[in-house]
Amino acid sequence: DAGVTQSPTHLIKTRGQQVTLRCSPKSGHDTVSWYQQALGQGPQFIFQYYEEEERQRGNFPDRFSGHQFPNYSSELNVNALLLGDSALYLCASSSRTSGSTDTQYFGPGTRLTVL
Amino acid sequence: QQQVKQSPQSLIVQKGGISIINCAYENTAFDYFPWYQQFPGKGPALLIAIRPDVSEKKEGRFTISFNKSAKQFSLHIMDSQPGDSATYFCAASITGGFKTIFGAGTRLFVKA
Repeated sequence: DAGVTQSPTHLIKTRGQQVTLRCSPKSGHDTVSWYQQALGQGPQFIFQYYEEEERQRGNFPDRFSGHQFPNYSSELNVNALLLGDSALYLCASSSRTSGSTDTQYFGPGTRLTVL
Repeated sequence: QQQVKQSPQSLIVQKGGISIINCAYENTAFDYFPWYQQFPGKGPALLIAIRPDVSEKKEGRFTISFNKSAKQFSLHIMDSQPGDSATYFCAASITGGFKTIFGAGTRLFVKA
């Protein structure tokens, strides 16, 4: 049973560029949450997707957007990249339909470096 | 009110000793308190979690103590081993809600 997978593993971009990160949830999970983890910090909630809709957003600007596909996989898009966007981006999946939203499984993350 | 404050930032423990990490929260609506373990280059992994209806939960060498009136909870790692060396995060969420609030993390180093 594959866990949560994310791609790519690492990414280097320059300021002003746009980036797309991808996540496939754990088998049987229907909910995907995205987190940003700056170096030496705890993960910060960006947003959560369920039934292809953004359900809640954390304190992140509109430059951060996302999408969930019918197969429950998800993308995180960041536009107009800033140096401060450099971080580890984590995807976590859970199952809302089974009532197990509290138990989140995290992927290994995508390390984004903005130069 | 959405914060979860975690201490200490770092901790060094001898092999076989007890590691204790503390967290405090403000939002009384939180009703699920997980602890995550993260190794370098990996995503956080759920270690153990507790709900406010119990004051303690134990799984193997890991124990959560919960003090609802003080709005505090802590992780105890008994018989700490070098393999436990990792960063630990406490977190809090509302059942059925959408986001989990994480503490800033504690870097644990267990000396052999």
